[in-house]
Amino acid sequence: NAGVTQTPKFRVLKTGQSMTLLCAQDMNHEYMYWYRQDPGMGLRLIHYSVGEGTTAKGEVPDGYNVSRLKKQNFLLGLESAAPSQTSVYFCASMGNHLYNEQFFGPGTRLTVL
Amino acid sequence: DQQVKQNSPSLSVQEGRISILNCDYTNSMFDYFLWYKKYPAEGPTFLISISSIKDKNEDGRFTVFLNKSAKHLSLHIVPSQPGDSAVYFCAASELTGGGNKLTFGTGTQLKVEL
Repeated sequence: NAGVTQTPKFRVLKTGQSMTLLCAQDMNHEYMYWYRQDPGMGLRLIHYSVGEGTTAKGEVPDGYNVSRLKKQNFLLGLESAAPSQTSVYFCASMGNHLYNEQFFGPGTRLTVL
Repeated sequence: DQQVKQNSPSLSVQEGRISILNCDYTNSMFDYFLWYKKYPAEGPTFLISISSIKDKNEDGRFTVFLNKSAKHLSLHIVPSQPGDSAVYFCAASELTGGGNKLTFGTGTQLKVEL
């Protein structure tokens, strides 16, 4: 099992450019999440999904869109990148059981100039 | 408003000694708590958890204590080893809140010195 994988690992964008971050999991998990980690602020939830075809807003959703067309994939889109979106992005997945933990991917480091 | 707080950004302990990492929360609806460990350039990995119906959970060298009345939990690592050097995040969840969302603290950098 590869677990949770994220593509790409690194990316540099110019202000106004768009991009999509891909998260894939091979554990047949129902729940998937996108977080961003910034210095001194821990991990903050951007968007999440409780199953294929569903998405919901987290704590900091502005400037991002997501899609969950297939159960194993969760895409995070930036339509018009801003320097404030410079961050490390983590994807996570979790099975549909009580007392479960989230499994995290290795992260994508994004810099917006 | 930070609902989960880790007030110590860093902690340094000697190998073999006990490491105690602390976490406070403000949301009384939280009923499940987790600790994650994170090495540089990697994603967080799950370490140990505790539900609000317990006050202690132990797994090898790691023990988590929960004091619901004080809204405080702590992670004890004993004995501490150099490989434990990492950032530790406390996280909290409402099991019936929908989506099983986690709220994270800001992390504590643990350094275990030889």
